[in-house]
Amino acid sequence: SQQGEEDPQALSIQEGENATMNCSYKTSINNLQWYRQNSGRGLVHLILIRSNEREKHSGRLRVTLDTSKKSSSLLITASRAADTASYFCATVALNNAGNMLTFGGGTRLMVKP
Amino acid sequence: SQTIHQWPATLVQPVGSPLSLECTVEGTSNPNLYWYRQAAGRGLQLLFYSVGIGQISSEVPQNLSASRPQDRQFILSSKKLLLSDSGFYLCAWSKGPLLGYEQYFGPGTRLTVT
Repeated sequence: SQQGEEDPQALSIQEGENATMNCSYKTSINNLQWYRQNSGRGLVHLILIRSNEREKHSGRLRVTLDTSKKSSSLLITASRAADTASYFCATVALNNAGNMLTFGGGTRLMVKP
Repeated sequence: SQTIHQWPATLVQPVGSPLSLECTVEGTSNPNLYWYRQAAGRGLQLLFYSVGIGQISSEVPQNLSASRPQDRQFILSSKKLLLSDSGFYLCAWSKGPLLGYEQYFGPGTRLTVT
């Protein structure tokens, strides 16, 4: 079952603009991760934020986590055409025997040059 | 460095035929291994995971099975494919057994059942 749900499902912006994607989940988590997928390819890990962290940065990426609201957001600043991809959040639940990820449905981002 | 391989990249199989997809990991030992399926335009659904040789856990009832004959080899199989088995199959690995590690994905196999 999908625990994370991304919002919006699709997002189209101009190059240089910021892109914000949101993720909501249902159960208590150990950590939340964001992944990127180019069309027809495997997923690439972007960033991991632990349940005791509130914000994390990596280059042009900024991730926030609000465990009281069971939500996270991914901000991509100064977007580029090469950022066009699908972005997925995935959660690792507490008491997870196999470090399993539960994925949301993803946000399809299109950055127009 | 670690790498993960999947083959074949694409596969077209008739209904009722068998299936074998292979995934191998290099450059690490005793990884956790995972098989996911992705329907078009959707998120990933975890099918199987393994924390060690011969240890397979299934997440959803289905027409598929998985095996881990060697530490870094993970195989997805079916005796008789159904149309609903079509999809994009992704293998992944992570450091085990603790939580808090990211997963690394292979390039995927596009399966079309006709």
